[in-house]
Amino acid sequence: DAGVIQSPRHEVTEMGQEVTLRCKPISGHDYLFWYRQTMMRGLELLIYFNNNVPIDDSGMPEDRFSAKMPNASFSTLKIQPSEPRDSAVYFCASTTWGTSVKDTQYFGPGTRLTVL
Amino acid sequence: GQQVMQIPQYQHVQEGEDFTTYCNSSTTLSNIQWYKQRPGGHPVFLIQLVKSGEVKKQKRLTFQFGEAKKNSSLHITATQTTDVGTYFCVNAGGTSYGKLTFGQGTILTVHP
Repeated sequence: DAGVIQSPRHEVTEMGQEVTLRCKPISGHDYLFWYRQTMMRGLELLIYFNNNVPIDDSGMPEDRFSAKMPNASFSTLKIQPSEPRDSAVYFCASTTWGTSVKDTQYFGPGTRLTVL
Repeated sequence: GQQVMQIPQYQHVQEGEDFTTYCNSSTTLSNIQWYKQRPGGHPVFLIQLVKSGEVKKQKRLTFQFGEAKKNSSLHITATQTTDVGTYFCVNAGGTSYGKLTFGQGTILTVHP
């Protein structure tokens, strides 16, 4: 089975530019999560979706961040405009009630974002 | 969910030594999960503990859930260089299904 797929794996951009991160969850998973990881703040949950609907976006840092899930197999996290403090590794994860262990999350490889 | 506190933050051991990381919560946890993240990698699920006093083993790894369900530990016997990484305990309970609250993790370094 293919795991969670994220693209790009690395992104370097300049301050003020728009950045779009992409995620394809595991087929059949109906929950999708976006996390951000930095040395200072650790692993933070930004937003999560259930059946393509955003359930909790309380972790989204500010209006510059937005996330969408237009269908069950695709989600985007957009930062506009980007700032150097947005530099981090962004992970996407997915899960479903049908997993053998309730609430187990499967993480993608992450996107390492550097904003200059 | 309530964030759990994990200690130590860093641990350096010689290969072959044992290692333990502890996870504590001020509130009772419904269940706790452990994840491992290799350097440059992503978190990978290791195990879930649900019952009070539960003990589970995976080869050299032993996981425990406290009797009061407020603490947990991960013990690695005879560490190997492949054990290097960050170990997270995660509050997997709460009112929001699927919402995990990660602790700050313990970074394990194993010197050959």
